[in-house]
Amino acid sequence: GEEVAQTPKHLVRGEGQKAKLYCAPIKGHSYVFWYQQVLKNEFKFLISFQNENVFDETGMPKERFSAKCLPNSPCSLEIQATKLEDSAVYFCASSQSSGGPSNEQFFGPGTRLTVL
Amino acid sequence: LAKTTQPISMDSYEGQEVNITCSHNNIATNDYITWYQQFPSQGPRFIIQGYKTKVTNEVASLFIPADRKSSTLSLPRVSLSDTAVYYCLVGDMAGANNLFFGTGTRLTVIP
Repeated sequence: GEEVAQTPKHLVRGEGQKAKLYCAPIKGHSYVFWYQQVLKNEFKFLISFQNENVFDETGMPKERFSAKCLPNSPCSLEIQATKLEDSAVYFCASSQSSGGPSNEQFFGPGTRLTVL
Repeated sequence: LAKTTQPISMDSYEGQEVNITCSHNNIATNDYITWYQQFPSQGPRFIIQGYKTKVTNEVASLFIPADRKSSTLSLPRVSLSDTAVYYCLVGDMAGANNLFFGTGTRLTVIP
């Protein structure tokens, strides 16, 4: 598609429950990124993929967070045993591969996760 | 990574030109300057990008002085629909690299 799609729009979970978020990048884009936006507009980079391979996972809290981008399936971000501090809006973005220094990322509408 | 500093908030009346300045004293030689816009309940959206001097597109202009230690996003004749948070980003914007957002500037356009 021509837009990054994210589902669900909203997700409510009790503490300790699992949460799974989905992202369909723009067709033809090689890179997928997950960001977490908490209060005061602060973004935190979580993980990126080059096609189905993890490219950079330096931002991932590895104990409870995992992500996948499998061929012919939406990418997913899963949080096992959610905590209150996981409440945030999770954005997915995609970009084209480029050897050049300038590129833009296209963001989805986000999934708002509320942990009660 | 070059740190950016921009005003937390700005107000403007409709129809006025708005200039948002971003400081990035530690910008590296291969860094680009990119601005994103975020409306409430939406993901950020690319506005404009530049390396030096002036860049203009249908939405905005970006002014970058010779030393590149700052940049100014200029929005001509803002309307109520320009109310949003504007982020200044500095870095190597190759497609593989993740973006580092600061806290942005919340622009409120007043009727």
